[in-house]
Amino acid sequence: NAGVTQTPKFRILKIGQSMTLQCTQDMNHNYMYWYRQDPGMGLKLIYYSVGAGITDKGEVPNGYNVSRSTTEDFPLRLELAAPSQTSVYFCASISWGAGSNQPQHFGDGTRLSIL
Amino acid sequence: AQSVTQPDIHITVSEGASLELRCNYSYGATPYLFWYVQSPGQGLQLLLKYFSGDTLVQGIKGFEAEFKRSQSSFNLRKPSVHWSDAAEYFCAVGAQGYNKLIFGAGTRLAVHP
Repeated sequence: NAGVTQTPKFRILKIGQSMTLQCTQDMNHNYMYWYRQDPGMGLKLIYYSVGAGITDKGEVPNGYNVSRSTTEDFPLRLELAAPSQTSVYFCASISWGAGSNQPQHFGDGTRLSIL
Repeated sequence: AQSVTQPDIHITVSEGASLELRCNYSYGATPYLFWYVQSPGQGLQLLLKYFSGDTLVQGIKGFEAEFKRSQSSFNLRKPSVHWSDAAEYFCAVGAQGYNKLIFGAGTRLAVHP
């Protein structure tokens, strides 16, 4: 099925551990995004990518890294997990273009707790 | 920089009543505007979107939104709310060539029977 796949769905980390959240899309979209959503809050943009090899910071990039070696994959890495990074993480892919056909897909989210 | 403001954090309406959720945006050029709904513990579902043309946009589940450039607003409306509409609603702004999709803080809708 076409869409965005995020893994894992749930994860508990200890402070200082590292991990990579995976995001894969099969729609050949150039634009991909990582957001975090804290309880009762909106989505904050962490990083985004406009194509393979190109990434840029969003609103809240500190403590995270990304890479985009292929069009399909956009992993998000936490190097030294901190309690403040406890959140739900959403990945999205969008095909921006002219006109009204702007397909976009969001993943189901990764619920991350850091203790 | 683009930004989105949703002035109402919580709104409570009675079932069958009309609904309007406010969204104000800041962006220098013509924006692309979106409304999403999120049920508890779920992901985002796109309700509707505006890119150009007719300023009144129809979406799914009986929702509509009106783009008002002079007021920098994109308010979401529904003429008669159902109990199943209780959820969190997010407005977002993006633009071709700008690359980012920025969300508002959301409005939590409660529906009384």
